[in-house]
Amino acid sequence: DAGITQSPRHKVTETGTPVTLRCHQTENHRYMYWHRQDPGHGLRLIHYSYGVKDTDKGEVSDGYSVSRSKTEDFLLTLESATSSQTSVYFCAISDFGSGNTEAFFGQGTRLTVV
Amino acid sequence: AQSVTQPDIHITVSEGASLELRCNYSYGATPYLFWYVQSPGQGLQLLLKYFSGDTLVQGIKGFEAEFKRSQSSFNLRKPSVHWSDAAEYFCAVGEASGTYKYIFGTGTRLKVLA
Repeated sequence: DAGITQSPRHKVTETGTPVTLRCHQTENHRYMYWHRQDPGHGLRLIHYSYGVKDTDKGEVSDGYSVSRSKTEDFLLTLESATSSQTSVYFCAISDFGSGNTEAFFGQGTRLTVV
Repeated sequence: AQSVTQPDIHITVSEGASLELRCNYSYGATPYLFWYVQSPGQGLQLLLKYFSGDTLVQGIKGFEAEFKRSQSSFNLRKPSVHWSDAAEYFCAVGEASGTYKYIFGTGTRLKVLA
C-alpha cells in the first residue's frame, strides 16, 4: 500500500470553528489532492498541489484553503466550518510524469460539523 | 468541460452472474482512464487503468475493462461475481493539461445476492 496517512481519521467540530486536516505521504510523489465524498456526488476535487508551494483550486474550493510547505505534507483548512462541509475527505497522491498515472488514496477523514 | 458519467447508481446481481458497469466520459484528448473500488469505510483501490495499447485491459480481482473510443466508454466487466465484490465502484479520467488531476464519476453501488 502507498504510504499515505490522514489525520485525524474522525473529527466532530462546531460551526464556525477552524479545522485543519493533514495528509502525509512517504512516497515522494509530486502531486497531492484533497477530495470530498458525498452521497450522490462521488468524489469532488477541492484543491490539489503539483509541488511545494504550488497549489490550485478544484471544483469545490469555496470555504477551503490548502498549504504545502514540504513534499510530504498537504494540509486542508476549513477557515470557519459550516454544516455543508460535513463529509468524508480523501487525500490522494500521484506521480504523474514519472511513468505512473494512477492516484493512490488515503483511508479518509470523516468530518462532522454540528 | 470534462466529465465522467456512471449511469447506474445501484446494481444488484446474483453471485456467479456476470457484471458490467458502465462508464462514459467527455474528454478532448486521449484520456487516462481508471476504475477504482471502495469497500465500506475504506479508501479507494485501483482495479485497472488504461491510456494506450490494447483496448481490453485486465485488472485485479478478475476484472477487465474495454476502452471504446467511438462510444467514449470504458465499461468494467467481470464474468462471475463473488459476494466479496459488493462495494462501490468509481470510474475516473485523468486530465493532463499543464498539471494533472482526476475527474470521478458519481459511483455505482454493487449489491451481490447469495
